[in-house]
Amino acid sequence: GAVVSQHPSWVICKSGTSVKIECRSLDFQATTMFWYRQFPKQSLMLMATSNEGSKATYEQGVEKDKFLINHASLTLSTLTVTSAHPEDSSFYICSASGGPSSYNEQFFGPGTRLTVL
Amino acid sequence: KQEVTQIPAALSVPEGENLVLNCSFTDSAIYNLQWFRQDPGKGLTSLLLIQSSQREQTSGRLNASLDKSSGRSTLYIAASQPGDSATYLCAVLGSGGSEKLVFGKGMKLTVNP
Repeated sequence: GAVVSQHPSWVICKSGTSVKIECRSLDFQATTMFWYRQFPKQSLMLMATSNEGSKATYEQGVEKDKFLINHASLTLSTLTVTSAHPEDSSFYICSASGGPSSYNEQFFGPGTRLTVL
Repeated sequence: KQEVTQIPAALSVPEGENLVLNCSFTDSAIYNLQWFRQDPGKGLTSLLLIQSSQREQTSGRLNASLDKSSGRSTLYIAASQPGDSATYLCAVLGSGGSEKLVFGKGMKLTVNP
């Protein structure tokens, strides 16, 4: 149990286009989902926290108009990178909590590699 | 502000060695601590989670200990294998009601056959 999927696993896009990444909890209802960004050889940086049906809470320095997060259901959250630029190229990972563990444990997706040309 | 440190950043060992990976954190007010494994280009795999009231957790060849008062955790890997090669991340969850995980920068482990 406690499986989180992400789609797509990788995406290449042109500068100026928008890209949507999906995060799904497959076998549990996720009350909270998190979006992280990871640069090469760096640790994970939390971008935002989202609760189902409410607006996401963004970390300081993260542009909410550029990184649109929607948590429309208890099993799906999406991250849309709007007007992507090469500096947005990164590894994006989502996680979800509210699963079978009662310890606020977060379960992580496999990540999405975004390359902006 | 919580800070998590993992030293060294990288470690290369021959197969069969018993390993100790270190993690330290500055704020002892934590809810839990997790150890993760990350393979290149992949997401995170949870290895062990230790609640703040616990002192250790074991899973197979892995044993994680927690000394909350001193702000330290160790991950012990017994009889290391080449398949253990990966980056190991330590993360703490604050007890102040926030669900934010604070990660260390990770330790890249290479186990040589």
